[in-house]
Amino acid sequence: GAVVSQHPSRVICKSGTSVKIECRSLDFQATTMFWYRQFPKKSLMLMATSNEGSKATYEQGVEKDKFLINHASLTLSTLTVTSAHPEDSSFYICSARSTGTNTGELFFGEGSRLTVL
Amino acid sequence: AQSVSQHNHHVILSEAASLELGCNYSYGGTVNLFWYVQYPGQHLQLLLKYFSGDPLVKGIKGFEAEFIKSKFSFNLRKPSVQWSDTAEYFCAVRGSGGYNKLIFGAGTRLAVHP
Repeated sequence: GAVVSQHPSRVICKSGTSVKIECRSLDFQATTMFWYRQFPKKSLMLMATSNEGSKATYEQGVEKDKFLINHASLTLSTLTVTSAHPEDSSFYICSARSTGTNTGELFFGEGSRLTVL
Repeated sequence: AQSVSQHNHHVILSEAASLELGCNYSYGGTVNLFWYVQYPGQHLQLLLKYFSGDPLVKGIKGFEAEFIKSKFSFNLRKPSVQWSDTAEYFCAVRGSGGYNKLIFGAGTRLAVHP
């Protein structure tokens, strides 16, 4: 299957700083990428849909100014957590949909664990 | 709004036992249904999917799922589990067409004891 890679896999930062997480589709082009947040012992919550070359679509309750999403190319989307606070500590997962298939199957990255001190 | 409900949050089985994980969804239209698995320390992987046709779909590693439209269900089954099946399993639903967002259930954590 197609490969989606996230970087960094783990990051620890101080409260008030900003953190950028990258999501890359390594062997396919993705016009659409999705960002999920996974809380401990809970499901994946869709945060936003990232579309190449346009603004992201955020789910209800997700602060767009806090979670900045940029999808500058067909292989890269970034999530920046601005002014991070301890409650932002979580596991963030991206997924990408290949443009080469009309089934819309999603491929997931390995996730990025953010810890805010 | 679409939603997914997984009834079992934590399941413990012995090797060779049979497995059935429940999944019910709510959506006012034609759906695509998925089961994903997340092994410890690894990322989500697709186990199987249903788009149309035969409601009994077979996936990797001996898993299968049956779509019952009248019950809005898509239960996952395996006749004989192995220790290596220990993982978290997520049911997910999306409006058909491939371009709608994927919504996940809460997940079921399966522990298989040797």
